[in-house]
Amino acid sequence: NAGVTQTPKFQVLKTGQSMTLQCAQDMNHEYMSWYRQDPGMGLRLIHYSVGAGITDQGEVPNGYNVSRSTTEDFPLRLLSAAPSQTSVYFCASIPNVGREHTEAFFGQGTRLTVV
Amino acid sequence: ELKVEQNPLFLSMQEGKNYTIYCNYSTTSDRLYWYRQDPGKSLESLFVLLSNGAVKQEGRLMASLDTKARLSTLHITAAVHDLSATYFCAVVTWGGNAGNMLTFGGGTRLMVKP
Repeated sequence: NAGVTQTPKFQVLKTGQSMTLQCAQDMNHEYMSWYRQDPGMGLRLIHYSVGAGITDQGEVPNGYNVSRSTTEDFPLRLLSAAPSQTSVYFCASIPNVGREHTEAFFGQGTRLTVV
Repeated sequence: ELKVEQNPLFLSMQEGKNYTIYCNYSTTSDRLYWYRQDPGKSLESLFVLLSNGAVKQEGRLMASLDTKARLSTLHITAAVHDLSATYFCAVVTWGGNAGNMLTFGGGTRLMVKP
């Protein structure tokens, strides 16, 4: 198993450009989510999904879109990049949807800089 | 809105000393996680606490959960330099139709000096 794979690891964008951060997991997990990490603020939830075709907003969804066409993939799209979106992005997946679940598995992160 | 607060945010300590990191949260939950993060790296799972009174230990780290007080602690015994990292707690809340959500504390940056 590869676990949770994020690409790219690093990216520099110009303001106004769009891009997609990829996240894939091979553990057949139902629940996947995207977080951004800013200095001194911990991780904040952007969007999450409980299964193929089902997504919902987290704490900081503005400027981002997601889709979940398959169980394995959960891409995060930046529609028009802004400097405020400079951050480190983490994708996470969790085995079960519902009240019982174990640990979350995190990808290696994508460091995004918007200039 | 769930709030998760960790303190201290920064901790500098000498090797061999003991210390405790606190994680308070504002709503009912019986699931709490502790993670470690090294600079430039992803999050490494340390402990999963699933019930009131749960206590788990791994090496020099021990975590506990008091769901009535909405408090978790991460205790460090006889710190060593290799424990230097940022530690996060994360609380699970039930998100209704959308499933569970993890909400993170702001992190505690630990520096252990030789």
